[in-house]
Amino acid sequence: DGGITQSPKYLFRKEGQNVTLSCEQNLNHDAMYWYRQDPGQGLRLIYYSQIVNDFQKGDIAEGYSVSREKKESFPLTVTSAQKNPTAFYLCASSSGQGFYGYTFGSGTRLTVV
Amino acid sequence: EDKVVQSPLSLVVHEGDTVTLNCSYEVTNFRSLLWYKQEKKAPTFLFMLTSSGIEKKSGRLSSILDKKELFSILNITATQTGDSAIYLCAVVPNQAGTALIFGKGTTLSVSS
Repeated sequence: DGGITQSPKYLFRKEGQNVTLSCEQNLNHDAMYWYRQDPGQGLRLIYYSQIVNDFQKGDIAEGYSVSREKKESFPLTVTSAQKNPTAFYLCASSSGQGFYGYTFGSGTRLTVV
Repeated sequence: EDKVVQSPLSLVVHEGDTVTLNCSYEVTNFRSLLWYKQEKKAPTFLFMLTSSGIEKKSGRLSSILDKKELFSILNITATQTGDSAIYLCAVVPNQAGTALIFGKGTTLSVSS
């Protein structure tokens, strides 16, 4: 079945450590997105990529980094520069420009301990 | 700055009640508006609205768009506990190289 797989589902990190969240899709979608969700804040865009080897910053890119070496994969690294990384992270993908909406993964809940 | 505003931010109702969720937007290049339901993890697609005044309906859920007044509503009739979720509204800009603009969501709790 086609879909988006995020891993791990739950992740704990010590302060000062970098951590990478995985996002893989087998939908043959061109575009992929990372969102952060905090209670009462909706979805805030971190980074997005519309083509391999190219990506753009979203509204809250500081403290995060991404790569897009393969069409299927769009990993997100939460660096130690991110001051408040505890949140729920959602990955999404879309065909073309996303005019018909996104398909979402099941998310990764990151907790800094 | 483009923005999408949802109201109320949270709502508690009893089973059987009818609810109306609101979404207003200010977006420079509007293409369409989407509604998603998020129960625990992945948001799932409900409706896409492109034209004014045409109601989209799926079971007890319905939605309509007013492009003149720049808003949409999502109605849920005869609510059930399974309707408890976050409802997200998003606008699709008609501009290449951009992403969906999401509102903060409405958290609906339906008690039995």
